[in-house]
Amino acid sequence: GAVVSQHPSWVICKSGTSVKIECRSLDFQATTMFWYRQFPKQSLMLMATSNEGSKATYEQGVEKDKFLINHASLTLSTLTVTSAHPEDSSFYICSAIGTSGRASNEQFFGPGTRLTVL
Amino acid sequence: QKEVEQDPGPLSVPEGAIVSLNCTYSNSAFQYFMWYRQYSRKGPELLMYTYSSGNKEDGRFTAQVDKSSKYISLFIRDSQPSDSATYLCAMQGGFKTIFGAGTRLFVKA
Repeated sequence: GAVVSQHPSWVICKSGTSVKIECRSLDFQATTMFWYRQFPKQSLMLMATSNEGSKATYEQGVEKDKFLINHASLTLSTLTVTSAHPEDSSFYICSAIGTSGRASNEQFFGPGTRLTVL
Repeated sequence: QKEVEQDPGPLSVPEGAIVSLNCTYSNSAFQYFMWYRQYSRKGPELLMYTYSSGNKEDGRFTAQVDKSSKYISLFIRDSQPSDSATYLCAMQGGFKTIFGAGTRLFVKA
């Protein structure tokens, strides 16, 4: 149990376009989802925390208008990278914390989405 | 100074060796200490989770926390090639989790 999926697993896009990444909790309800980005050989950097039905809380230095986060239901959060540029190329990983059971005590990570902006 | 320091490696060991991975931290408010394993191009998966100082064992893995020294360790016994991955320490105080940079481990057959 406690599986988190991400779609797509990888995406290549042209500079200036927007890309949407989905994060789903498959077998539990997630009150809170986190979005991270990870550059090669570096650690996970928290971008934002999203709670179902409310606005996301962004970390310092993360542009809200560039990285749009929507947490419309207890099983789905989306990250949209708007007007993507090559420097946005990275590995984007989501994680989720559930409402009950084991999922309420542990952060479960998705498999990540590799974004390459040409 | 970073809140969490972790040597990125890489660390290369022969199969069967005992591996020691370490992190230091500066924030005494951290209460929970975790170790994650991340395979290439995959999301992290939780290996060990500890709350207090001392040792916690799970199969070939032992997590050690020394709050007085602000130092945590992960030991892997009888290492296997399948253990080759990046190991991330993580610490939580309040609602935020801070990750170390990760140590890349290679176990040679």
